[in-house]
Amino acid sequence: DAKTTQPNSMESNEEEPVHLPCNHSTISGTDYIHWYRQLPSQGPEYVIHGLTSNVNNRMASLAIAEDRKSSTLILHRATLRDAAVYYCILRDDTDKLIFGTGTRLQVFP
Amino acid sequence: EAGVVQSPRYKIIEKKQPVAFWCNPISGHNTLYWYLQNLGQGPELLIRYENEEAVDDSQLPKDRFSAERLKGVDSTLKIQPAELGDSAVYLCASSLGTSVLNEQFFGPGTRLTVL
Repeated sequence: DAKTTQPNSMESNEEEPVHLPCNHSTISGTDYIHWYRQLPSQGPEYVIHGLTSNVNNRMASLAIAEDRKSSTLILHRATLRDAAVYYCILRDDTDKLIFGTGTRLQVFP
Repeated sequence: EAGVVQSPRYKIIEKKQPVAFWCNPISGHNTLYWYLQNLGQGPELLIRYENEEAVDDSQLPKDRFSAERLKGVDSTLKIQPAELGDSAVYLCASSLGTSVLNEQFFGPGTRLTVL
């Protein structure tokens, strides 16, 4: 299974943009890039996914490098509710979600 | 629409005792997952069901763990006997299917403490 590398922690101020990086240099051509986040005392929740093109939804944007070896999750205006652990996951056709340790995002008022 | 429901939310038991966790997935979701999450780590898959059938249980420690999903809806995960190292959060998730594009919806988890 292809692996991802994320910083252990990041900090942001409220209402500022946040860019959460993820490296996945061994990604295969059929791997989708998924992001989930886990708020305190809750189960993980889906954020966004993409294959090659950049993606936007109501929660975030996903920017994928042209060589697909890295990606960045963008929160356009961080709120206190965005404080969570963010997981970058590569999914192949086996459907498995293989979580790493993720990036713990702290948001300060 | 209700999300994935798990009970109990917290459970404290002594080692060697049995324990069971219950999960009710989102209505219509055929695929159900049980994950284990240790402190400071991401969730790890224990078992995946397609309707009533366990299609991936390779990570389930079968000497003490068992699971069932009768009638393809609710599921129960059991540990007998529990050990100190089983203290963790047990998460249940469900999805519409196994496509890589299907989102997994997680419950709040059951936090198990083994004394």
